[in-house]
Amino acid sequence: QVQLQESGPGLVKPSQTLSLTCTVSGGSISSGSYYWSWIRQPAGKGLEWIGRIYTSGSTNYNPSLKSRVTISVDTSKNQFSLKLSSVTAADTAVYYCARARSGIAVLGYYYYYMDVWGKGTTVTVSS
Amino acid sequence: QSVLTQPPSASGTPGQRVTISCSGSSSNIGSNTVNWYQQLPGTAPKLLIYSNNQRPSGVPDRFSGSKSGTSASLAISGLQSEDEADYYCAAWDDSELEVFGGGTKLTVL
Repeated sequence: QVQLQESGPGLVKPSQTLSLTCTVSGGSISSGSYYWSWIRQPAGKGLEWIGRIYTSGSTNYNPSLKSRVTISVDTSKNQFSLKLSSVTAADTAVYYCARARSGIAVLGYYYYYMDVWGKGTTVTVSS
Repeated sequence: QSVLTQPPSASGTPGQRVTISCSGSSSNIGSNTVNWYQQLPGTAPKLLIYSNNQRPSGVPDRFSGSKSGTSASLAISGLQSEDEADYYCAAWDDSELEVFGGGTKLTVL
């Protein structure tokens, strides 16, 4: 059974780069046709999708964060990572990593859903 | 301001049937499938419904989803106290990002 675990600094200074890693256990990150995704949630607020990376390395990012986000994958370590540059207090949130499935459903609709989630890690941006 | 619109709150008594709505547009719900996530207090979201009306293994059949046009809904029948949680709808948008609703806090009275 695949499990995901986020790791990284809990405190980042304003203007610096937030770096998180998601370690995949119970399965190979490069097997199957999955997207590996990052989502965040400020305290008391809703979910915001940050972006995703396919096993081939192709990425999609939320346009609102695109200029500051990089998602990469390290198949040798069975990990994928998030880098968010020039952070401000508005980037303070719980960050989740997740595995996603996607494809074309009946009648041509595109499906994309996140079926395995990490427990999340809290990142605070403060000096 | 979330791309998908959900009511901020919903409530019901044990045993009742409750529905939560989710409204979007032609670029997301109208052209792609809808998912629902349940977030119990202090925990990570969990996939509850995918592809409009499919339940992952282990999700009780008390939970059901439907979609019509640019709207979707989640129904919970036989409401139980453990169903008290936040519920989020989500859909892929043709702008190439996943969009979420603002979440609905379900209270079991």
